[in-house]
Amino acid sequence: NFMLTQPHSVSESPGKTVTISCTGSSGSIASNYVQWYQQRPGSAPTTVIYEDNQRPSGVPDRFSGSIDSSSNSASLTISGLKTEDEADYYCQSYDSSNHRGVFGGGTKLTVL
Amino acid sequence: EVQLVESGGGLVQPGGSLRLSCAASGFTFSSYEMNWVRQAPGKGLEWVSYISSSGSTIYYADSVKGRFTISRDNAKNSLYLQMNSLRAEDTAVYYCARTSLIVVYYFDYWGQGTLVTVSS
Repeated sequence: NFMLTQPHSVSESPGKTVTISCTGSSGSIASNYVQWYQQRPGSAPTTVIYEDNQRPSGVPDRFSGSIDSSSNSASLTISGLKTEDEADYYCQSYDSSNHRGVFGGGTKLTVL
Repeated sequence: EVQLVESGGGLVQPGGSLRLSCAASGFTFSSYEMNWVRQAPGKGLEWVSYISSSGSTIYYADSVKGRFTISRDNAKNSLYLQMNSLRAEDTAVYYCARTSLIVVYYFDYWGQGTLVTVSS
């Protein structure tokens, strides 16, 4: 089964740039689109990136997504970090071999 | 405004049953595929089940297959999850999530979630 692996946690200072990786277990991560969700404590997830690198309206351009086929990974980059960016971030895609949604384990971003 | 409102969560004993509902509004429910996603306390997100817009195609995670049943009533703009033979590891917040029309398995709107606790 296809799996997505994320670092458990990352931390960075306000104003800096951080990148969160999401590595596919097999096949090509580029075969299906990757989404990124932000989840603050006690709230439902919200989308920050869909279709690998698209931002929903209302998401600042400080958030960007990319795919690296050579490493079979996706990345979420947040620039100009703000304390409000502190949250859990999940990558998500689709396993077309068995028609199942797949989430990464989540990355806790600390902005300090 | 798109709204998804889950209900039906609560405390249930191991081996028991529970039926979750998700009331949809603000969009043409019958045109959208829907999903259930859950999150155990302090843990990550886990996709649970998918249902096509007509209800004719359904998929489940291995962890719930054979115990959970997803269904929908397009006339009532509602999504359901019948959960049987519940286990302690099913304890989680259950979210209903709409699939975007533009990307397969992109969950563009989520409800606020309903908590299911399986404990004796």
